[in-house]
Amino acid sequence: GESVGLHLPTLSVQEGDNSIINCAYSNSASDYFIWYKQESGKGPQFIIDIRSNMDKRQGQRVTVLLNKTVKHLSLQIAATQPGDSAVYFCAGGENEKLTFGTGTRLTIIP
Amino acid sequence: GAVVSQHPSRVICKSGTSVKIECRSLDFQATTMFWYRQFPKQSLMLMATSNEGSKATYEQGVEKDKFLINHASLTLSTLTVTSAHPEDSSFYICSARRTGNMNTEAFFGQGTRLTVV
Repeated sequence: GESVGLHLPTLSVQEGDNSIINCAYSNSASDYFIWYKQESGKGPQFIIDIRSNMDKRQGQRVTVLLNKTVKHLSLQIAATQPGDSAVYFCAGGENEKLTFGTGTRLTIIP
Repeated sequence: GAVVSQHPSRVICKSGTSVKIECRSLDFQATTMFWYRQFPKQSLMLMATSNEGSKATYEQGVEKDKFLINHASLTLSTLTVTSAHPEDSSFYICSARRTGNMNTEAFFGQGTRLTVV
């Protein structure tokens, strides 16, 4: 099965700085990965996804990097804003079944 | 973007009673929906995969008779927590993907906070 974990449970970043959240996965057959953001009391909100045939994908202020060699992915958030404060989960798997990591709480310091 | 609606958002029930949670895909069809539970400060744990027109697939350790799942249409899946106990108190979240699209983003409902007293 898949296990997905994050390197740090909490991360504090100064407003305006860039942040990087890391995630490791165990199943080399995993072919799809997603980053989600979850605010308190709400369901997860999709941020960005990436398939295993890619190593980088960019969105608005966010970039996901995938390193299949070491089974690692990261989420980079540029120019962080107060609204970026939340728990971030990576999820990965094959076909439609996703396994979620434990989450990293990102706090933006004004 | 696509929307998944979950109802109710909060529910408080007495021990021993049953609670039904609905998950609807509002603007797309979903052959498959997923049910997760999330304990405070923890990650989402997949409970079961809901398949339209057939039986749900449960993850190991999840009691089928306790968490009844019905996926009667391409836009609605329901999770019924039967004979609820305080330890069933949790945040229940559903997700759905568009039918026919493998490996596309999963859209999540806003979650249901269940408190069993």
